[in-house]
Amino acid sequence: DQQVKQNSPSLSVQEGRISILNCDYTNSMFDYFLWYKKYPAEGPTFLISISSIKDKNEDGRFTVFLNKSAKHLSLHIVPSQPGDSAVYFCAASNTGNQFYFGTGTSLTVIP
Amino acid sequence: NAGVTQTPKFRVLKTGQSMTLLCAQDMNHEYMYWYRQDPGMGLRLIHYSVGEGTTAKGEVPDGYNVSRLKKQNFLLGLESAAPSQTSVYFCASSYRDGYEQYFGPGTRLTVT
Repeated sequence: DQQVKQNSPSLSVQEGRISILNCDYTNSMFDYFLWYKKYPAEGPTFLISISSIKDKNEDGRFTVFLNKSAKHLSLHIVPSQPGDSAVYFCAASNTGNQFYFGTGTSLTVIP
Repeated sequence: NAGVTQTPKFRVLKTGQSMTLLCAQDMNHEYMYWYRQDPGMGLRLIHYSVGEGTTAKGEVPDGYNVSRLKKQNFLLGLESAAPSQTSVYFCASSYRDGYEQYFGPGTRLTVT
């Protein structure tokens, strides 16, 4: 039973445009959310986080939006760069100990 | 600063064999985790530890055991490997709960 879902397995975007990656969750007790980026043959690396007391968090080109009523979060990358091509995972937790990960979205930024 | 390292990087086992995966971190993190990643499944938590000498079950603990004898090391053991345990295994650590996790490069395990 997947508690965190990323329904788009892949996404292609032109360089310079906005990339929007989506994530849905089912557990209303989740209160902390993270996005990770993963290159092939490497471990995931932390990108950005948001707690449930906020609805937006920004870090450079990356912004995460949280809609608690819809149980939905999204990651916006503006402008997209070829080096952003990777698999992006969202993860959620309600205790901080155990994180539930989505299945990932493979982003391709076309030069 | 090596971060999180995992040994070995690749391994092929026959059904029924045993092995131990080693994870080491040099960031003085309290929390350590073992995940497996399977196609179409994302990362699933196997076991985790909130400090030296402690372990706890995650989402998919069956068939695995863990030990945290030293703060910097977290071992994952397979006593009797099964083909269903073919996967990529990632270790991670974090300063404490609520903080982002730092991942190792992964171990690709194949059980034939």
